[in-house]
Amino acid sequence: GAVVSQHPSRVICKSGTSVKIECRSLDFQATTMFWYRQFPKQSLMLMATSNEGSKATYEQGVEKDKFLINHASLTLSTLTVTSAHPEDSSFYICSARDRDTLNYGYTFGSGTRLTVV
Amino acid sequence: RKEVEQDPGPFNVPEGATVAFNCTYSNSASQSFFWYRQDCRKEPKLLMSVYSSGNEDGRFTAQLNRASQYISLLIRDSKLSDSATYLCVVNIGNNQGGKLIFGQGTELSVKP
Repeated sequence: GAVVSQHPSRVICKSGTSVKIECRSLDFQATTMFWYRQFPKQSLMLMATSNEGSKATYEQGVEKDKFLINHASLTLSTLTVTSAHPEDSSFYICSARDRDTLNYGYTFGSGTRLTVV
Repeated sequence: RKEVEQDPGPFNVPEGATVAFNCTYSNSASQSFFWYRQDCRKEPKLLMSVYSSGNEDGRFTAQLNRASQYISLLIRDSKLSDSATYLCVVNIGNNQGGKLIFGQGTELSVKP
């Protein structure tokens, strides 16, 4: 089945630094990738949608200059949290949609737990 | 108003009980519907799609009412392993341009 690899699974960084999270589709081509954020006891909130080779579309309230998304190939999307602050501490999950699957083939990465100290 | 709303939970039930989750969505352009399951500190996993005709997968039955924009999930003969958070999910948009919107989730705890 379709697999999405997300790295790192856990990262602790200092306030003010930047963190890059990678999401890679291993056995399929992902035209579209989605980035979600989940705070404790809350649901997944869609941050942005990225299409290969074009700029990401950000949801209302998500700062595009703070959360940089790059989707340079059909198998890789990255999310960079710039100048991280403790309030950015959260669980970040990517999801990829299989270009060749008509029935909404969404596959999720295993998530990245970011802690900013 | 949230785009997808669920019962707040948590639901604490004994093994063998039948439990029902409800969900409503606000966007009438929603194209497809799902229930996902999320275990603690893990990514969500697709439990089942939801169709207007209703669909069943073992002990799980899902129902969709487009007119009232309502989705349900019924779990029969609940097991300890069913303990998780159940997420009602709606795909807004078409096949090529849609995106998944998640409800806040309902936590289920099945006790022996």
